[in-house]
Amino acid sequence: DAGVIQSPRHEVTEMGQEVTLRCKPISGHNSLFWYRQTMMRGLELLIYFNNNVPIDDSGMPEDRFSAKMPNASFSTLKIQPSEPRDSAVYFCASSFGGGYTFGSGTRLTVV
Amino acid sequence: RKEVEQDPGPFNVPEGATVAFNCTYSNSASQSFFWYRQDCRKEPKLLMSVYSSGNEDGRFTAQLNRASQYISLLIRDSKLSDSATYLCVVRYSGAGSYQLTFGKGTKLSVIP
Repeated sequence: DAGVIQSPRHEVTEMGQEVTLRCKPISGHNSLFWYRQTMMRGLELLIYFNNNVPIDDSGMPEDRFSAKMPNASFSTLKIQPSEPRDSAVYFCASSFGGGYTFGSGTRLTVV
Repeated sequence: RKEVEQDPGPFNVPEGATVAFNCTYSNSASQSFFWYRQDCRKEPKLLMSVYSSGNEDGRFTAQLNRASQYISLLIRDSKLSDSATYLCVVRYSGAGSYQLTFGKGTKLSVIP
């Protein structure tokens, strides 16, 4: 199993641009999570899907952030427009019944 | 707000030392507990689950005190390869039962 696959690994973009982060969960996992990690705030849950349905998006910071899961094997997190304070590492994780497996993350820098 | 609190460290210990990390959680409805390890610029990975009776995995021992709402991790005979950030993780019961809440982590540096 290839694990949770995220792309891109690194993204540098200018303020105001749209950014799309992608995640392919482990096959058979029915829950998918997007987390953001910064030095100041640690790992924060942004949104959680179960069976492709968003269950809890209370962690999404504002309307500039949106996430979709059109099928069991793909999810996107979009930031539009991006701002420098969005700079962080964004992790996707998937699970089935409890244990999480994280992807390698996308390191986003907004300049 | 659900919170998991950890001492951020860093803990700088010599090889062979024993080191202990503590973690407190605020929600008494917490259901499951874990320690994750995160290496520099890598993703978090599950180190071990924490059970009510306490559990051991080689040099690592985890303890849970539900009454005081704290979790501990003890590492014996520290190795250089143990250098990492250790994240205390709690899963809450209820509608969001598959959500894990992470502490900010305790950084450990094992020194030769």
